[in-house]
Amino acid sequence: GENVEQHPSTLSVQEGDSAVIKCTYSDSASNYFPWYKQELGKGPQLIIDIRSNVGEKKDQRIAVTLNKTAKHFSLHITETQPEDSAVYFCAASARLRSNYQLIWGAGTKLIIKP
Amino acid sequence: ETGVTQTPRHLVMGMTNKKSLKCEQHLGHNAMYWYKQSAKKPLELMFVYNFKEQTENNSVPSRFSPECPNSSHLFLHLHTLQPEDSALYLCASSLRDQYEKLFFGSGTQLSVL
Repeated sequence: GENVEQHPSTLSVQEGDSAVIKCTYSDSASNYFPWYKQELGKGPQLIIDIRSNVGEKKDQRIAVTLNKTAKHFSLHITETQPEDSAVYFCAASARLRSNYQLIWGAGTKLIIKP
Repeated sequence: ETGVTQTPRHLVMGMTNKKSLKCEQHLGHNAMYWYKQSAKKPLELMFVYNFKEQTENNSVPSRFSPECPNSSHLFLHLHTLQPEDSALYLCASSLRDQYEKLFFGSGTQLSVL
């Protein structure tokens, strides 16, 4: 079946440094790629998304890049701050049976060291 | 506050109990979802409702029974659950059932003893 692989499972970076989380997807027809941030005790929250007709999208300190040929997409967080500590999930759209669904990665726990 | 409220936040139940999870959204969205979240695993889609009609049942066991009386409310009725059903159950909503820009509640942490 369709799947999304997410790496690393845990990432520890020094405050102020950059963090990169990578995902690969299997469905070449996937055209929508969101990233969600989940803080402790809360549900996931959308932080950025990208469509397949765009190679890169930025929003302040976060950016997402997409390589359709390689079926990779990545989340980049620059100038990391303590409040960036959370679990981050990537997802990719996929057609399953007669409907589209989101296929999720297993998550990356990002730890920002002071 | 995401505009999606789930109750209760925590629930402990025995295998023979019957309980219900509730979700309410104040965003004017037309689609609502139930997801199951287990530690270190991808989110698992359970059910999707669009304009109160179920559009997706992701092969969920019948011991989970959803109900959507209107576009703002979603319930998950639980009965005769198994210990492996212990997980965080998340409700989400979106403007349409295209899985874009989902708004999640904080979830119900369920423990089945």
